[in-house]
Amino acid sequence: NAGVTQTPKFQVLKTGQSMTLQCAQDMNHNSMYWYRQDPGMGLRLIYYSASEGTTDKGEVPNGYNVSRLNKREFSLRLESAAPSQTSVYFCASSDGESQPQHFGDGTRLSIL
Amino acid sequence: QKEVEQDPGPLSVPEGAIVSLNCTYSNSAFQYFMWYRQYSRKGPELLMYTYSSGNKEDGRFTAQVDKSSKYISLFIRDSQPSDSATYLCAMRTSNTGKLIFGQGTTLQVKP
Repeated sequence: NAGVTQTPKFQVLKTGQSMTLQCAQDMNHNSMYWYRQDPGMGLRLIYYSASEGTTDKGEVPNGYNVSRLNKREFSLRLESAAPSQTSVYFCASSDGESQPQHFGDGTRLSIL
Repeated sequence: QKEVEQDPGPLSVPEGAIVSLNCTYSNSAFQYFMWYRQYSRKGPELLMYTYSSGNKEDGRFTAQVDKSSKYISLFIRDSQPSDSATYLCAMRTSNTGKLIFGQGTTLQVKP
């Protein structure tokens, strides 16, 4: 009964390092999303994939890239990490864009 | 000004109290409204999902949407210590899956 699985759960990086956050869902959902959560800011959408083979920018895409590897997996890449990218990152999926989104338990990322 | 405003709290109530959580928004095109509950170090969990104006009830939880006032509420009856969490409102227009979230309200229910 996994739902949305994110790896790793925790990571510490140095400024300038690169990193890929992994997300996989086992609900056969079409749409997948990446958010970041910062204190006092709620969740903000970074990128989303409405269906396999498509990706679109969200509210805060700068400094990130995404890959929809297949229907199950959606990865988020930081090419050159900056301290401003210290955050908790959540992946979510939904059966379609109009359906409720289901979230993973997050990746806590610190950039020194 | 943020598109969705939510009082961050914290809100502390005694067990058994009625809790009212609220969000206001500025975009009149929002049609779908959600409430998520988030426990510490966990992902948000969907509680309520409503379309347009009106009320929706699910057990001890009632969601209310007033589109004319651009105001949504979540009521929790007979609150329990297990309700202690952060509650996030979220909303979207009809032609996109992009959710806009409030900042979240932290609730503590004391035994």
